[in-house]
Amino acid sequence: GQQLNQSPQSMFIQEGEDVSMNCTSSSIFNTWLWYKQDPGEGPVLLIALYKAGELTSNGRLTAQFGITRKDSFLNISASIPSDVGIYFCAGQLTRAQKLVFGQGTRLTINP
Amino acid sequence: AAGVIQSPRHLIKEKRETATLKCYPIPRHDTVYWYQQGPGQDPQFLISFYEKMQSDKGSIPDRFSAQQFSDYHSELNMSSLELGDSALYFCASSLAQGTYTGELFFGEGSRLTVL
Repeated sequence: GQQLNQSPQSMFIQEGEDVSMNCTSSSIFNTWLWYKQDPGEGPVLLIALYKAGELTSNGRLTAQFGITRKDSFLNISASIPSDVGIYFCAGQLTRAQKLVFGQGTRLTINP
Repeated sequence: AAGVIQSPRHLIKEKRETATLKCYPIPRHDTVYWYQQGPGQDPQFLISFYEKMQSDKGSIPDRFSAQQFSDYHSELNMSSLELGDSALYFCASSLAQGTYTGELFFGEGSRLTVL
């Protein structure tokens, strides 16, 4: 089945540092979504990508949809304490089909 | 803005009992997804519905069933509960845009504990 490999699995950084995480897939997706999840809560949508090569920003967040449709990255600039959490990439091939999740990247920030 | 509403938020059941989770999608959204998330795991896809018809199926046990009603809300029915069914269950909704799914929003989840 479709699998997403997300890396790194965890990151320990200082406040103010930039963060980069990525996802790769063995098969193509036509939609890439990035989510942040806090413990016991639902994933919150950060950025949605729909076109190969697309680069999209949302405040301090920037994400790109890889040109091959098999990868995506998320960058967070100037990290702040509220960025702590688990970040998931997710890919979908077409409408109403399953959204496949990566394994998540746990971000910890040292003040 | 209205979000995806799930109920109940917490549910405690005994083994072999049944449970029903409800999901109310964002108004005008036509697609609903159900996910199961164990501790420290990524969300696992169970089933999805588009315009009240099942559109995709994942690792949903035969003991579970789901449907989407005429008002687009969805229910996940779980029978013969097992200890391993204890998890967070998330519902998500989206508005289809042609062949693309549009943005997919999750609810706060229902935490099921099976004793």
